Amino acid sequence: GAGVSQSPSNKVTEKGKDVELRCDPISGHTALYWYRQRLGQGLEFLIYFQGNSAPDKSGLPSDRFSAERTGESVSTLTIQRTQQEDSAVYLCASSLVLAGNQETQYFGPGTRLLVL
Amino acid sequence: SQQGEEDPQALSIQEGENATMNCSYKTSINNLQWYRQNSGRGLVHLILIRSNEREKHSGRLRVTLDTSKKSSSLLITASRAADTASYFCAPNAGGTSYGKLTFGQGTILTVHP
Repeated sequence: GAGVSQSPSNKVTEKGKDVELRCDPISGHTALYWYRQRLGQGLEFLIYFQGNSAPDKSGLPSDRFSAERTGESVSTLTIQRTQQEDSAVYLCASSLVLAGNQETQYFGPGTRLLVL
Repeated sequence: SQQGEEDPQALSIQEGENATMNCSYKTSINNLQWYRQNSGRGLVHLILIRSNEREKHSGRLRVTLDTSKKSSSLLITASRAADTASYFCAPNAGGTSYGKLTFGQGTILTVHP
């Protein structure tokens, strides 16, 4: 079946504008994650959704960042009033949850965000 | 969540040679996952080894796990130029860490044709 898809693949925006990034997880995967990866760095956890539970937002770097998920499908990550330091690749992943444990995370291709 | 630390930071080999990368972590895990990333995009899951497993194979990949030493290794046999990528390990404590994966800087593998 199809993997995790993300859109857009690239986004260039001006400082101060809002951006919305989209993630379509693998069908049937109840867990969805957003990560950020700055150039040459590892992954930085942002937010986690699991079923109908309250999302774990502990990784969001500021109140300019928010995310939503519709049921167990699409998720959108919104960055308001973008800053140059928001420039990064934003990666989405989804996984099954079996017996309370998260299984392999499958990553989308990412959205490369550049804030000018 | 906890971060895996990969070693070495960079590895350069010739095609056909084997490549070994190591990962260390600090606390108990439910499983440990290895990923590959090409050109700063597209993290690809390679293999997941559970805490009750000691060794796992997948094609040319062999992963070992030593929970007493809190370490894992990834061996790529008969390497190819297409194996050139960054390799990351991700220890997964599961439970209340919600499977959050935190990656280190990775090992940059370069395979010369």
